[in-house]
Amino acid sequence: GAGVSQSPSNKVTEKGKDVELRCDPISGHTALYWYRQSLGQGLEFLIYFQGNSAPDKSGLPSDRFSAERTGGSVSTLTIQRTQQEDSAVYLCASSLVYSGNTIYFGEGSWLTVV
Amino acid sequence: RKEVEQDPGPFNVPEGATVAFNCTYSNSASQSFFWYRQDCRKEPKLLMSVYSSGNEDGRFTAQLNRASQYISLLIRDSKLSDSATYLCVVHRDDKIIFGKGTRLHILP
Repeated sequence: GAGVSQSPSNKVTEKGKDVELRCDPISGHTALYWYRQSLGQGLEFLIYFQGNSAPDKSGLPSDRFSAERTGGSVSTLTIQRTQQEDSAVYLCASSLVYSGNTIYFGEGSWLTVV
Repeated sequence: RKEVEQDPGPFNVPEGATVAFNCTYSNSASQSFFWYRQDCRKEPKLLMSVYSSGNEDGRFTAQLNRASQYISLLIRDSKLSDSATYLCVVHRDDKIIFGKGTRLHILP
């Protein structure tokens, strides 16, 4: 498809398990972003990539969170030893380059930690 | 003070009315501005960019006031389908900041 694609759409996991969320950006977009949003709350910035580099990791909540991007395309957000407070929708987005361009969002990965 | 601030609302507005809300930003180096719309349990989607001279798209008008550091969104002849959360987005060279959003409810 032409849009940002995320998988899985929904994930229920047990507390303490690791989860991996995947994002496939729009073809040709060099900037990729991860946000988190809890129900009824605003967007929480996690990390962004320009190419394969992550200039700003300041939003990652703890060292249990990590992200990588390879080949300037697909990105993976990994949450280790999940906690209940990690339950949220994780939104990936992409844009042509960082800043100044329209950011397009995927439909999100809904994570529930039980 | 937050870098980007929006009145969270909710704004409860009768159908057909005109509604406007603002978004203030604190950093004068901000360069690009956008309005996004987010429906409940959906991802944010671009509504419109905000140009220095102001711009209009149908019932929607966006304006930028650099002197006072705010952007505005005006919705005329509001429809039930306009009910959503409206997010402003401010870009600098080194940062992109989303506002927390303003909730709008259009009442029949």
